[in-house]
Amino acid sequence: KQEVTQIPAALSVPEGENLVLNCSFTDSAIYNLQWFRQDPGKGLTSLLLIQSSQREQTSGRLNASLDKSSGRSTLYIAASQPGDSATYLCAVDYNQGGKLIFGQGTELSVKP
Amino acid sequence: GAVVSQHPSRVICKSGTSVKIECRSLDFQATTMFWYRQFPKQSLMLMATSNEGSKATYEQGVEKDKFLINHASLTLSTLTVTSAHPEDSSFYICSARALTPYQETQYFGPGTRLLVL
Repeated sequence: KQEVTQIPAALSVPEGENLVLNCSFTDSAIYNLQWFRQDPGKGLTSLLLIQSSQREQTSGRLNASLDKSSGRSTLYIAASQPGDSATYLCAVDYNQGGKLIFGQGTELSVKP
Repeated sequence: GAVVSQHPSRVICKSGTSVKIECRSLDFQATTMFWYRQFPKQSLMLMATSNEGSKATYEQGVEKDKFLINHASLTLSTLTVTSAHPEDSSFYICSARALTPYQETQYFGPGTRLLVL
């Protein structure tokens, strides 16, 4: 069964700290992996998309890595800010069909 | 960037009534739209895949007669929750996959909060 797991479920850090969110998937034959941000009661905003042939993607203070062999991806957030507080979801597309399998999310709180 | 809208954003209805939720891609054409459901403190679960001009493909365990999906055009898909019951109360989110050049990325709507009394 294809499953996506995120650890930790919740994380609280002081402003300015660098942090890493983890995502693991059971089947390494992925097509791509995405990281999303969800604010409370809102939809999803795509942050980074990594193709199966790529190792990492960067956007501003965000860096996502992908290691297919170990079934893992990490989202690194540098110099965290209170505005980064949200739930971060990773999702895997296995067959290019666009059907995404989501992890449970990590609820991040950045304290001023 | 590409924008997906949903209407309504919030709906409260009585048990036994039907509710229609619209998902629109505002500035791009989407051959495929997806409908997800999200319960509180849980992740998104795919309900069905909607392709323009054809029948939707439902995930295992999702009742197609209860959750009617219509994808009438390249910019509009609708989800109708028929004979809604309190257990159908949830956050429903749609996404749309664009034709080129953005075809790898899904754009998500803001969601619709459904409360069935």
